[in-house]
Amino acid sequence: QSALTQPASVSGSPGQSITISCTGTSGDIGGYNYVSWYQQHPGKAPKLMIYDVSDRPSGVSNRFSGAKSDNTASLTISGLQAEDEADYFCSSYTSSSTLVFGGGTKLTVL
Amino acid sequence: QVQLQESGPGLVKSSETLSLTCTVSGGSISGNYWSWIRQPPGKGLEWIGNIYYSGSTNYNPALKSRVTMSVDTSKNQFSLSLNSVTAADTAVYYCARLGRGRLLDYWGQGTLVTVSS
Repeated sequence: QSALTQPASVSGSPGQSITISCTGTSGDIGGYNYVSWYQQHPGKAPKLMIYDVSDRPSGVSNRFSGAKSDNTASLTISGLQAEDEADYFCSSYTSSSTLVFGGGTKLTVL
Repeated sequence: QVQLQESGPGLVKSSETLSLTCTVSGGSISGNYWSWIRQPPGKGLEWIGNIYYSGSTNYNPALKSRVTMSVDTSKNQFSLSLNSVTAADTAVYYCARLGRGRLLDYWGQGTLVTVSS
């Protein structure tokens, strides 16, 4: 299975909005509404931020939102804050009943 | 609140077997799927596989020939075994709960395993 494709890095200023894309295939993102997004700060375990394309776990800020179109999912963070600076990974359930991750995107808050 | 804790050797010799255990607390291992994920230093996440509390498994095709997972419901633990390791298997290994069979909602803190020659 091939990794999902994410941009290596994105950046934005405090208060702005940014969007991170995650591209897969019809065998993963395009075939299921089972895309998740994880935030990882340096030296920490990943944290679930979005699941099932656009749902937020309890306690996650509503500044985080997710969407999907065809084989591409996206994570949008609005009202950027310094604490949002982290690595972000997407993942998807696949037609082989496996999980696949994206390569990760480093978000820099300028 | 479900908590997970990885345990096992931090150093494994090349060609030998890496063995890790994940202990679940604050909830039962029964009725859930459980996963192992790894992250080489400075790199991205790689899904290793899942195990259901009943023992059924699903592995990453790229690692399938070397991976075995098991579960011990009496101890609320599940385990990972990866044989014939090389330097490429050096990584932080995480255990996590696979909620609804598709989202990783609770994670352990991770444990660094280094493969030495």
